[in-house]
Amino acid sequence: GEDVEQSLFLSVREGDSSVINCTYTDSSSTYLYWYKQEPGAGLQLLTYIFSNMDMKQDQRLTVLLNKKDKHLSLRIADTQTGDSAIYFCAEESAAGNKLTFGGGTRVLVKP
Amino acid sequence: DTEVTQTPKHLVMGMTNKKSLKCEQHMGHRAMYWYKQKAKKPPELMFVYSYEKLSINESVPSRFSPECPNSSLLNLHLHALQPEDSALYLCASSQETGGSTDTQYFGPGTRLTVL
Repeated sequence: GEDVEQSLFLSVREGDSSVINCTYTDSSSTYLYWYKQEPGAGLQLLTYIFSNMDMKQDQRLTVLLNKKDKHLSLRIADTQTGDSAIYFCAEESAAGNKLTFGGGTRVLVKP
Repeated sequence: DTEVTQTPKHLVMGMTNKKSLKCEQHMGHRAMYWYKQKAKKPPELMFVYSYEKLSINESVPSRFSPECPNSSLLNLHLHALQPEDSALYLCASSQETGGSTDTQYFGPGTRLTVL
C-alpha cells in the first residue's frame, strides 16, 4: 500500500535555509507534490516534480528526489516569517486522481 | 487563475439539520474532489467526480451526499451528522488529463462544527 511519512516539526531562524524531508513507499508514483497550509486556510500548491527528474528549482524552492531511496525533500532558501506553516508532501498514484498525503511538517520561523 | 471557491467559510449545525457545502471553479477542470481534514492531520479523500460522474467514493457514510450539477460546481449535502464529523472540508479540482500530471488545486475550505 501507499505510505508517506514526514517529520512533525522544524524550527528555523529567519534568513536560514529550511529542509523538509519526506519518504514514500509507492514506487509507481508519477508525480510528487509539496503543498503549504497556513492556519485556517486551504492547501496552496507550491511545486511538484515528475518521478523521472531528480531536481527542480523554482525561485526560493528546490525539490530533490531520490527515486532509489524514495526520498523527497523541499529546500526553502532565505526562509521568511511568512513561510511559517504546515507543509504536506503528497504522491500521485499511477492511476491518477488520488493523492496520498504525508502527515505534514509544521515549520516555525523565528525572527 | 487557479481559484477554487467554497461557501460558506464556517458552518455550525445541529445533528438533525440538513445543510449543503458548495464549491465552484472556472478553470475548465473536469475532475473535482471533496476532502475532510481533522485538526493536525492531512486531508482525507472522500469523493472524486470525473466529467460530472462519481468515480471514487472512499466508503464515506451516507449522511454525506455529493452532487455535481455541472462541470464547474460541486456540492456536498449533509444530513444527520455526528459531532465527530466536525472538520475542515476542502474542495479541489484538476484538469483530468488522463496521462500527465493531474495537479489538484484546493479551495480555502469550509470549517464545519456539528453540535
